Amino acid sequence: ETGVTQSPTHLIKTRGQHVTLRCSPISGHKSVSWYQQALGQGPQFIFQYYREEENGRGNFPPRFSGLQFPNYSSELNVNALELDDSALYLCASSFETYGYTFGSGTRLTVV
Amino acid sequence: GDSVTQMEGPVTLSEEAFLTINCTYTATGYPSLFWYVQYPGEGLQLLLKATKADDKGSNKGFEATYRKETTSFHLEKGSVQVSDSAVYFCALSPTGNQFYFGTGTSLTVIP
Repeated sequence: ETGVTQSPTHLIKTRGQHVTLRCSPISGHKSVSWYQQALGQGPQFIFQYYREEENGRGNFPPRFSGLQFPNYSSELNVNALELDDSALYLCASSFETYGYTFGSGTRLTVV
Repeated sequence: GDSVTQMEGPVTLSEEAFLTINCTYTATGYPSLFWYVQYPGEGLQLLLKATKADDKGSNKGFEATYRKETTSFHLEKGSVQVSDSAVYFCALSPTGNQFYFGTGTSLTVIP
């Protein structure tokens, strides 16, 4: 079974730019969640998608947005990047809405 | 709101020593509790979980018991190995679609 795949693994962006991160869930998994993990901290919930609908959102501003496609893959979009957005972004997938498997993450650096 | 507090690290132990990492939680309902492990440069891996009071989760020699009376879910292992060196996160999930993580405890095991 292939795990949760995230791309890219690393990227560097400039403050004010936009970024798109991608996640491919485990085959058959219909739910995808996104988390932000700042250095030395625990992951913080951004939002969850289930069957292409947003199914919960954490305390993140609207410039953090997402999509889930019919094949259940997902994107996380961040507009107007700020230095504090530098973090590891983790995607997790689940068959329904429980029992998540995490990917290895995308390391975003904003300079 | 829901939250997790875990013992601050870093923790350094000799091989074969006994490990305890404390975790307490605050929740309005009856959440499920988890321990995740993160190796350097990787995402989160589920170590063990418990879904109701008095449940004991166990995996790879690690154990944790869901204690509702003390709102705790302490992680224990009787004899740690060098390969157990990692960061350990305690987490709770009240509904299954969102996790609340602690800040993580870094464990280093020396030969």
